[in-house]
Amino acid sequence: QSALTQPASVSGSPGQSIAISCTGTDSDVGGYDYVSWYQHHPGKAPKLMIYDVTNRPSGVSNRFSGSKSGNTASLTISGLQAEDEADYYCSSHTSTNKMVFGGGTKLTVL
Amino acid sequence: EVQLVESGGGLVRPGGSLRLSCVGSGFTFSNAWMSWVRQAPGKGLEWAGRIKSKPDGGTTDYAAPVKGRFTISRDDSKNTVYLQVNSLKTEDTAVYYCTTGRYFDYWGQGTLVTVSS
Repeated sequence: QSALTQPASVSGSPGQSIAISCTGTDSDVGGYDYVSWYQHHPGKAPKLMIYDVTNRPSGVSNRFSGSKSGNTASLTISGLQAEDEADYYCSSHTSTNKMVFGGGTKLTVL
Repeated sequence: EVQLVESGGGLVRPGGSLRLSCVGSGFTFSNAWMSWVRQAPGKGLEWAGRIKSKPDGGTTDYAAPVKGRFTISRDDSKNTVYLQVNSLKTEDTAVYYCTTGRYFDYWGQGTLVTVSS
């Protein structure tokens, strides 16, 4: 199972919106509405931000939203803040009943 | 408050073995699916495997790179999930996180496994 494809890095200024893409195949992202997104500040535990493509866990800011079209899922962060600077990973259920992560995207807030 | 605490990491020679443990609290452990996710130095997250709750069958699934070498088990009486890692390779060097739920809802702080001669 190959890792899902994410851009290595994205950047934006405070207050702006950015989107991070996560591209898979019909056997993972495109086949199931089981895409999740995680925020990871180095040295800390990763944090679930979005599950089932669009759902936010309790306590996660509504500045974070998820979507999916075909084999590509996206995480959008609006109103960028300095504390959003982190690594972001997508994950998906697969047709072989396993899980797969994306390669990760480093978000820089300029 | 949900807490996951991993232990058991360390330095091991190639071909060696370790058993990692993860103790959970603050949630109904026996109903939780538990997974292990690793992160090699400078690399991204990689799912290693999962054990379902006993009500959901208690079955395990593993990623291809670790299948046959890694074994996940659980002791619900101790709120603990284990990762037995055998035939270790240098490329298994990573921080190993345990995580709970179908969505990896909560994560521990991780335990470092270093495979080196």
